[in-house]
Amino acid sequence: AQSVAQPEDQVNVAEGNPLTVKCTYSVSGNPYLFWYVQYPNRGLQFLLKYITGDNLVKGSYGFEAEFNKSQTSFHLKKPSALVSDSALYFCAVRADDKIIFGKGTRLHILP
Amino acid sequence: DAGITQSPRHKVTETGTPVTLRCHQTENHRYMYWYRQDPGHGLRLIHYSYGVKDTDKGEVSDGYSVSRSKTEDFLLTLESATSSQTSVYFCAISVRSGQETQYFGPGTRLLVL
Repeated sequence: AQSVAQPEDQVNVAEGNPLTVKCTYSVSGNPYLFWYVQYPNRGLQFLLKYITGDNLVKGSYGFEAEFNKSQTSFHLKKPSALVSDSALYFCAVRADDKIIFGKGTRLHILP
Repeated sequence: DAGITQSPRHKVTETGTPVTLRCHQTENHRYMYWYRQDPGHGLRLIHYSYGVKDTDKGEVSDGYSVSRSKTEDFLLTLESATSSQTSVYFCAISVRSGQETQYFGPGTRLLVL
């Protein structure tokens, strides 16, 4: 079955420290992978995607994600966290021409 | 929110009543989606549309129906609302399905008493 997993419900990081939000996937064929962010009382906003090419993908707001085929992972990263990065983050994967979303990881950046 | 509006933004209704949520886009995108968001479940696809009058079921379609008579409008109907349908509903659009970015509306918060 095609799926995406975010193993952490919540991640706490001190402001200025690097952050990682984890995502693993299971799909047949080449994976198309996405990260979205949701701020309170808002819809999801696109951050970045991997379709093909360089394993390190750069996106909005200084975020990047590393595609690792052998580990079937697509972790979201940022070198230096900001308090304003606090939000709910969703990893997503293409499955049969639809998108499957993970359950989300709540990121808390502590001042 | 990428030219997508949802109405109403908030609704309280009673069990057994029909409810219709509207999604309107100004982008002329072919694909439109309805998701529900619940704690611990993330976003789950209810129905989607790949063109006028072309719709298909998603992961959690039971108790819901959709219609798309114009490119810009995608309606979600709860035929007889139940408390389990209390949720936040999001509409999304995309140019193509699968590999393209989806753009989300602001959401509709529905409470079924």
